Amino acid sequence: TQLLEQSPQFLSIQEGENLTVYCNSSSVFSSLQWYRQEPGEGPVLLVTVVTGGEVKKLKRLTFQFGDARKDSSLHITAAQPGDTGLYLCAGAGNQGGKLIFGQGTELSVKP
Amino acid sequence: DTGVSQNPRHKITKRGQNVTFRCDPISEHNRLYWYRQTLGQGPEFLTYFQNEAQLEKSRLLSDRFSAERPKGSFSTLEIQRTEQGDSAMYLCAPSPSGNTDTQYFGPGTRLTVL
Repeated sequence: TQLLEQSPQFLSIQEGENLTVYCNSSSVFSSLQWYRQEPGEGPVLLVTVVTGGEVKKLKRLTFQFGDARKDSSLHITAAQPGDTGLYLCAGAGNQGGKLIFGQGTELSVKP
Repeated sequence: DTGVSQNPRHKITKRGQNVTFRCDPISEHNRLYWYRQTLGQGPEFLTYFQNEAQLEKSRLLSDRFSAERPKGSFSTLEIQRTEQGDSAMYLCAPSPSGNTDTQYFGPGTRLTVL
């Protein structure tokens, strides 16, 4: 059974601080997605990483896929209150493309 | 905006009643996935379709659950004899042709079973 462990579960920081969210597994994934979700809404795709060691940047967000394609990280620089939300990592295995999600990281950025 | 719509957005029902949710993807999404998300957790896979064929069902999908995608476009998820444990957000996620790893989620249907 493929599992993804996401940490931390909760993060409360001040505006302007940096933070990193981790997503770890003992399984290899063909790709990994990061989503952001607001209350009462569906997850919104931020990025897909496919190649081991890949780094993608989306403005102040930097995503990295581990060399062995078992782990990933999301780094946010100079967090803003608008970054507040639930961040989810999701790995795609080789079984029909279904996504295995981590538990999520609830981020709160205070002004 | 992913262009995916789900209806209804919210559903409150009494235990034992049947409910049906609908997902309308934009065209050319030959795969469509259903997930369930409970409070404080990430979404969990329920089932998926390749066009109109249902190819995989999770063991989370008890006999009370049934899903269809009759013409390979919209999909429905029905829950019979609802239980309080069915209360959750039900999400559909179509996947574009040729890139099945990328899934764009709809806004979800929030089910509350009283």
